[in-house]
Amino acid sequence: EPEVTQTPSHQVTQMGQEVILRCVPISNHLYFYWYRQILGQKVEFLVSFYNNEISEKSEIFDDQFSVERPDGSNFTLKIRSTKLEDSAMYFCASSDSGSGTQYFGPGTRLLVL
Amino acid sequence: AQSVTQPDIHITVSEGASLELRCNYSYGATPYLFWYVQSPGQGLQLLLKYFSGDTLVQGIKGFEAEFKRSQSSFNLRKPSVHWSDAAEYFCAAPGDSSYKLIFGSGTRLLVRP
Repeated sequence: EPEVTQTPSHQVTQMGQEVILRCVPISNHLYFYWYRQILGQKVEFLVSFYNNEISEKSEIFDDQFSVERPDGSNFTLKIRSTKLEDSAMYFCASSDSGSGTQYFGPGTRLLVL
Repeated sequence: AQSVTQPDIHITVSEGASLELRCNYSYGATPYLFWYVQSPGQGLQLLLKYFSGDTLVQGIKGFEAEFKRSQSSFNLRKPSVHWSDAAEYFCAAPGDSSYKLIFGSGTRLLVRP
């Protein structure tokens, strides 16, 4: 069964450093998403991406965040200058349509020290 | 604005007992509704979804959920819980656009032997 994969599974970084979280969506999916879950809190939408551009973003997704689909398979989330409050589990998801079921990856746990 | 509410933060049931996890939504039109499960340290796995049609939907692992428009609810049920069902369960619905999911705050299920 096709699945969304994410790397790395864990990342520890120093405050102010740049991090790139990587995702490989399901191969025939066209819509891609990032969500985050701060420890003990609910899952929050960050951004959606379709046709090589952002289709929607939340207020969390400020100028420190960017997304990219650098090739035909990867979808990345970059945080330019990490803050302590960026520590969270980051989930990638993909769907075959805008209203389609979103399938989630296993997540990347980011810890900012 | 759309919202998803899971009134129960924790639920404890005995193995073999029945289970019902509550979910209420606030949505103008007929919503799409989802239940996801997150085992410790794992990603979000889709249990089931409601798009339209039959209001009782079957999912994986013996779970089912019933959409009740009159009560704005989409409660998850299982007739006999197994120890492996211990996890966190999230109800979700599309936000203002179809590009994002709004998640409830989750219900943590504990299973007594």
